[in-house]
Amino acid sequence: DAKTTQPPSMDCAEGRAANLPCNHSTISGNEYVYWYRQIHSQGPQYIIHGLKNNETNEMASLIITEDRKSSTLILPHATLRDTAVYYCIVKTGANNLFFGTGTRLTVIP
Amino acid sequence: DVKVTQSSRYLVKRTGEKVFLECVQDMDHENMFWYRQDPGLGLRLIYFSYDVKMKEKGDIPEGYSVSREKKERFSLILESASTNQTSMYLCASSLGYRGLNEQYFGPGTRLTVT
Repeated sequence: DAKTTQPPSMDCAEGRAANLPCNHSTISGNEYVYWYRQIHSQGPQYIIHGLKNNETNEMASLIITEDRKSSTLILPHATLRDTAVYYCIVKTGANNLFFGTGTRLTVIP
Repeated sequence: DVKVTQSSRYLVKRTGEKVFLECVQDMDHENMFWYRQDPGLGLRLIYFSYDVKMKEKGDIPEGYSVSREKKERFSLILESASTNQTSMYLCASSLGYRGLNEQYFGPGTRLTVT
């Protein structure tokens, strides 16, 4: 599975959109992009995933560039409860989710 | 909502003890996973299972075994606990063939081996 690169930390003002970038330049054609987050002392929580097209659900939007070498997770109106570590993962249908070190997002009041 | 529960949030055991970590999911998922999470290393897959009585090794199976006698329950066993097995252990489950779909995680068990 391809590796991902994320900034170690980001801040976002409460109520603003949080845009979390991820680079995955070695992604192959059949690899999906997944996003999970982990709030302190809890298990990871699935957010969204996509292959080529942009995706949106009740939690977030996922924007994947046309060449698929990078993506952005957008939390449209960040709240204090969105403070967490966000993980970008690329994988095929195989079992393993490789969680790197992620981006620590801090939402500031 | 999918619920994945783990038997303990915190556990302290002595070196050499046999340790059982239990995980139960209530959504009839085929796939279940055990990970450990350590600072700076992310999550690492220990074992997983795609069906009852079926198990496959993950990236770091040494020192661990698993049991899946019922679809909803997946147990992680530390045959003889060692201090380097002190970690956060996370169980997950997912629906569908070979884990492509999203995984749902339990709250974790923080195990300390002294």
